[in-house]
Amino acid sequence: AQSVSQHNHHVILSEAASLELGCNYSYGGTVNLFWYVQYPGQHLQLLLKYFSGDPLVKGIKGFEAEFIKSKFSFNLRKPSVQWSDTAEYFCAVNGLEGAQKLVFGQGTRLTINP
Amino acid sequence: SAVISQKPSRDICQRGTSLTIQCQVDSQVTMMFWYRQQPGQSLTLIATANQGSEATYESGFVIDKFPISRPNLTFSTLTVSNMSPEDSSIYLCSVIRGLRGYTFGSGTRLTVV
Repeated sequence: AQSVSQHNHHVILSEAASLELGCNYSYGGTVNLFWYVQYPGQHLQLLLKYFSGDPLVKGIKGFEAEFIKSKFSFNLRKPSVQWSDTAEYFCAVNGLEGAQKLVFGQGTRLTINP
Repeated sequence: SAVISQKPSRDICQRGTSLTIQCQVDSQVTMMFWYRQQPGQSLTLIATANQGSEATYESGFVIDKFPISRPNLTFSTLTVSNMSPEDSSIYLCSVIRGLRGYTFGSGTRLTVV
């Protein structure tokens, strides 16, 4: 069964700091990888996704993520965060065999101090 | 991306009662997924619903508590049965649209009192 682990439960940064949120997954086959963001009181929003090709993917709002297959990782990065990036971030994985269900990590709460 | 209409958007229910949540997709999809997001938690998959067959439930979820219907390729319902305060959560449906990834409904915020 696939699983997703996000190492950071709560990250607190100051504006303009660089961000990296860790995500590791466990799955024996080919996967698609996703990062979602949930702003306070709002719905899930897709930040970026990796299906194939260039392992460095760029998403919205200046976010990017790198897929490192050998490490089963898909870390999210942003070079300079803003106060408006305060939100919950979820890494998710779906295996390409079977039902292709999307499994979420436990989430990382990001707080940006102005 | 597919447009998903989910209703009700929120409800407050008495314990011991049941609530049925509807999910309508604007195009045909093979699989629909139902998730639960408990307060302050991540999304947990409840079940996968295929048209014409019984839903496949994840560990910790059972059909008697969360019966699912999937009468056609654009519609599904999830019922939360015999509710208790622990069932207070946001329930979401989702579909996969190939390379466009997953689309989520706007969610149903359920409060059980």
